[in-house]
Amino acid sequence: GAVVSQHPSWVICKSGTSVKIECRSLDFQATTMFWYRQFPKQSLMLMATSNEGSKATYEQGVEKDKFLINHASLTLSTLTVTSAHPEDSSFYICSARDQRQGGSYEQYFGPGTRLTVT
Amino acid sequence: GDSVTQMEGPVTLSEEAFLTINCTYTATGYPSLFWYVQYPGEGLQLLLKATKADDKGSNKGFEATYRKETTSFHLEKGSVQVSDSAVYFCALSPSGDNFNKFYFGSGTKLNVKP
Repeated sequence: GAVVSQHPSWVICKSGTSVKIECRSLDFQATTMFWYRQFPKQSLMLMATSNEGSKATYEQGVEKDKFLINHASLTLSTLTVTSAHPEDSSFYICSARDQRQGGSYEQYFGPGTRLTVT
Repeated sequence: GDSVTQMEGPVTLSEEAFLTINCTYTATGYPSLFWYVQYPGEGLQLLLKATKADDKGSNKGFEATYRKETTSFHLEKGSVQVSDSAVYFCALSPSGDNFNKFYFGSGTKLNVKP
């Protein structure tokens, strides 16, 4: 089946620094990937849609200058949390739709990255 | 807009008990419906799905039937195991141009005791 990986799986950084999270589709190409944020004991909140070769589309209320998204290739999207603050601490999950599946609309999720800002 | 509502947890059951986690949705058209499972510290794994009315998704003993008349997609399992302890998310993918967007319920934590 389709596999999505994320790196790193967890990261601790100091307040004010930037952190980059990678999302890769390992055995399929994904023109579109998605970034979610999950707060403790809560559901996933869609942050943005990452489009290969074009700008990301951000959901309402998500700061695009703080959460920089780059979709440089058909298998890689990156999320950079700039000038991180403790309130940015969260579990970040990416997903991708396997275009080969045609109309199945199934998305494959990465294992998530736990960010802790101290 | 599109949304998913699922029963609040946690749900605590003894091993071999019957499980039902309710999920209802609001959507225009004909969305696809999913159940995802999240084990502690891990990402989401697809458990089962249904793409049209009256479809039944099933996997690992779990089942859910897409009921358009009641806009529901309840998750059931006849005999739960300790290893089923996890958080379960109901989700929908809209039909039409927004099919790539997923809307998740709030999640239901299941605790299964030996």
